[in-house]
Amino acid sequence: AQSVAQPEDQVNVAEGNPLTVKCTYSVSGNPYLFWYVQYPNRGLQFLLKYITGDNLVKGSYGFEAEFNKSQTSFHLKKPSALVSDSALYFCAVRVTGGGNKLTFGTGTQLKVEL
Amino acid sequence: GAVVSQHPSWVICKSGTSVKIECRSLDFQATTMFWYRQFPKQSLMLMATSNEGSKATYEQGVEKDKFLINHASLTLSTLTVTSAHPEDSSFYICSASSSEQFFGPGTRLTVL
Repeated sequence: AQSVAQPEDQVNVAEGNPLTVKCTYSVSGNPYLFWYVQYPNRGLQFLLKYITGDNLVKGSYGFEAEFNKSQTSFHLKKPSALVSDSALYFCAVRVTGGGNKLTFGTGTQLKVEL
Repeated sequence: GAVVSQHPSWVICKSGTSVKIECRSLDFQATTMFWYRQFPKQSLMLMATSNEGSKATYEQGVEKDKFLINHASLTLSTLTVTSAHPEDSSFYICSASSSEQFFGPGTRLTVL
């Protein structure tokens, strides 16, 4: 069975500093990995995905994520955080043999402060 | 492209009444739609998978008679919370799937 772990409930970072939101996964077969962002009382917005190819994936709003097969990780990164990046971030993995069904991590609240 | 809408965005109802939430894919056809429930500061919990023209597949622990799902067309799925109670109060999110999932903005349900 697939699973996704986001070990940090909350990440605090100062504006202008780099940010990392961690995600590790467990799947059988090749992983399809996703990052989504959720603002209060809103649905999920797609940030980026890894299917195959380059391990460094670039996405929306300056975010990127690095797929590391040996560490089974897919950490989300941004070189310079903005206060407006403060939101809830979810890592997800597509369920093998489940069509487009996704398994989500528990979410990480990112807080960017001035 | 790939816009998914939900209606209503929020609803308040009395205990015992039924509430219908609509999920529409506006610019693409979705063979599959998913319904999630989210409690405050928690992850999304998949409730059911809905395929056009067939019965929904419910996740373990989700009452199919309580949460009625209809996927009448490739652009519309509805979730009806029947005989709602305060414990059904939650944020309900749908997604529509073609090559991947695209999420709606969510519906805040409050049952008094």
